[in-house]
Amino acid sequence: DAKTTQPPSMDCAEGRAANLPCNHSTISGNEYVYWYRQIHSQGPQYIIHGLKNNETNEMASLIITEDRKSSTLILPHATLRDTAVYYCIVSPRGGVNYGGSQGNLIFGKGTKLSVKP
Amino acid sequence: DVKVTQSSRYLVKRTGEKVFLECVQDMDHENMFWYRQDPGLGLRLIYFSYDVKMKEKGDIPEGYSVSREKKERFSLILESASTNQTSMYLCASSLRTSGYYNEQFFGPGTRLTVL
Repeated sequence: DAKTTQPPSMDCAEGRAANLPCNHSTISGNEYVYWYRQIHSQGPQYIIHGLKNNETNEMASLIITEDRKSSTLILPHATLRDTAVYYCIVSPRGGVNYGGSQGNLIFGKGTKLSVKP
Repeated sequence: DVKVTQSSRYLVKRTGEKVFLECVQDMDHENMFWYRQDPGLGLRLIYFSYDVKMKEKGDIPEGYSVSREKKERFSLILESASTNQTSMYLCASSLRTSGYYNEQFFGPGTRLTVL
C-alpha cells in the first residue's frame, strides 16, 4: 500500500496557485518525498523531490513540514495544461539498489487536479 | 531529452496468446521497470531490472516474465494472455543509484486488450 494520503480531487482556477496536500505521517528518516504527475493518456512525469528542506524548480515548489509528516506541492500559476493526476510518493532516496527493491516508487491513487478557465 | 519508447500504443490479443511488450530507452540507464495501471488501483510494479540479464519481481509478477538481454531494452512477456491482463502497461527507466536520488522516466504506455 502507498504510504501517502492525498485528496482524490481538487479544482483550481487558471492563473491561480494550485496547492496540493499530501500526508505521509509514517515517513522514515531516509525517505524522500517525490511528486509525479500524469496527464491523460501519457506516462507519469517527474516534478520535484525533497528530503526536509523546501525545494523549488521551474515546474513547482515543494513545502515539507518541519516534522516531515506532510507536504504541499505548489504550482504557482496553474494553466489548463496542468490538469492531471498528481502523485505524492515517499521512498528511500535513489531508485533500485543492487539486488534489491529498496527505493522503488509506489504510486497511490493521487489527486486529480482540474484547472478551470 | 530522455526518451523511453514502447513498441505499441494499442494492442489487441486473444486469450491464450503469447504477448511481447517491448521497451527501449536511449539514456544508458541501468534500471528499467514495468508497471501496469488500472482504474482505481493506480500503478503497480510488475518487474524491474537493475542490470542486463538481472531481474527482480515487483508487487504483481504472476502471469508475467521479463527479458533484459541488452541494456537499452526491457521486454515484458505474457506467456498466455488472459482477460484480467487487459490494462495499460507502462515502462520506465532510471539511473542506478549509489544512494543518491534519481527519477524515473516513463514511456507513453501500451493499452493492451485481451479478448
